[in-house]
Amino acid sequence: DAKTTQPNSMESNEEEPVHLPCNHSTISGTDYIHWYRQLPSQGPEYVIHGLTSNVNNRMASLAIAEDRKSSTLILHRATLRDAAVYYCIPNTGNQFYFGTGTSLTVIP
Amino acid sequence: DSGVTQTPKHLITATGQRVTLRCSPRSGDLSVYWYQQSLDQGLQFLIQYYNGEERAKGNILERFSAQQFPDLHSELNLSSLELGDSALYFCASSGQGRHTEAFFGQGTRLTVV
Repeated sequence: DAKTTQPNSMESNEEEPVHLPCNHSTISGTDYIHWYRQLPSQGPEYVIHGLTSNVNNRMASLAIAEDRKSSTLILHRATLRDAAVYYCIPNTGNQFYFGTGTSLTVIP
Repeated sequence: DSGVTQTPKHLITATGQRVTLRCSPRSGDLSVYWYQQSLDQGLQFLIQYYNGEERAKGNILERFSAQQFPDLHSELNLSSLELGDSALYFCASSGQGRHTEAFFGQGTRLTVV
């Protein structure tokens, strides 16, 4: 499974955009990049995933570098409900290995 | 609501005992995954089943076993329990496609005393 590197923690002001980076330099050509988040005392929640081009959904946007060795999850306007641990997961064969993720704090 | 149901929500048991955790996947999902999350270990992948067959195995102890039944629900059996087995156990399910997303249940909190 591809290794990932994410900042341990980040802070954002409420209603500001947030860019959460992830390095996955050993990703294979067929691995999709998945992002999940986990709110306190809850199960992980799917956020977004993509292969090569940028992706958007109602929750977030995913920007994938041209060489696919890194990606950035973009929350366009952070809310207090976005405070969570965010995990970047290169998905190999539909198996999901979680790293340590980035703990996002949203400041009111 | 993810559509994945786990029971029970909480379980307290003594060391040496055996427990069974149950997971009902989202309707139509063939893959089921089990994860363990303890305070000092993060989310550890235990095992994956696909349509009744074991697909992948992670850091699952020999004291633990799982199965997926014909109706696609899954059970995780934990035996000879130790204090260190206290954790949150999550089940997830995903669809048939090779790169579909996974949906997680709310977990079972196991406390071994």
